Amino acid sequence: GAVVSQHPSWVICKSGTSVKIECRSLDFQATTMFWYRQFPKQSLMLMATSNEGSKATYEQGVEKDKFLINHASLTLSTLTVTSAHPEDSSFYICSARGIQGPVEQFFGPGTRLTVL
Amino acid sequence: DAKTTQPNSMESNEEEPVHLPCNHSTISGTDYIHWYRQLPSQGPEYVIHGLTSNVNNRMASLAIAEDRKSSTLILHRATLRDAAVYYCILRDSSTNAGGTSYGKLTFGQGTILTVHP
Repeated sequence: GAVVSQHPSWVICKSGTSVKIECRSLDFQATTMFWYRQFPKQSLMLMATSNEGSKATYEQGVEKDKFLINHASLTLSTLTVTSAHPEDSSFYICSARGIQGPVEQFFGPGTRLTVL
Repeated sequence: DAKTTQPNSMESNEEEPVHLPCNHSTISGTDYIHWYRQLPSQGPEYVIHGLTSNVNNRMASLAIAEDRKSSTLILHRATLRDAAVYYCILRDSSTNAGGTSYGKLTFGQGTILTVHP
C-alpha cells in the first residue's frame, strides 16, 4: 500500500506554545488529506478534511483558529496546534487519498502530542 | 453516515480462523463496507472493502450478507500480529459524469481482537 509519513512522531511542549505536525504522502499524490485525533482508549475522531489548494473543512466542534491546516501541495499537509493546552494532548493521525481515487485511504503512523 | 455495530472484544487462538461480525442495518445502496485495523500506538491500516459481493485479498476475506445489513471479516489463520482494534466502517459514494467520489471515513469503537499463543 501507499506510504504516508508524519513528523514528528512525538512532541512534548509547554502550555501556550504552538506545535506543527507534518504529513507527507511519499509515493503518491494526495488530493485530499484528513486529520484525526485520538484520545486514550477512544476511537479516531475526524477533525478536518483538506483538499490541495483549498481551505480545510472542519468538523463540528473543532476550532479552525486553533487547529490550522495547510495543504499547499499534493504531497504535504500540516496541522498547527496553536497555543496548545494540556487538554490538546492527544494522538494526531493524518490520512491521505490519491488522485486516482483508490477506495482505500492511507494513514500515517500518528504523532503523540503531550502538552505540559 | 450510516452506523455500524461491532462487539467490543473478541478472542482467538493463534493459527485459528477469526470471524469478526459487523451489523449495519441502515446501510444504503451506495455505501461501501470498509474494514481497517489499528495496532497499538499506530495509525489505522486498510484491510479490505466491498460493496455487494464477497471479497478476498492477501490479508482477509469479507463476507457480505445478501441483504447487506451485516458483514463478517474473516482472518483465515490468526497470528499474534493480528491483535488489534478492527473497525467496520460504512462509506458512502456518489457517481456522476466526473467519476465516483467517496465520503469520509467515520470510525466507531471497533472490536478489540486478542490473539492467544
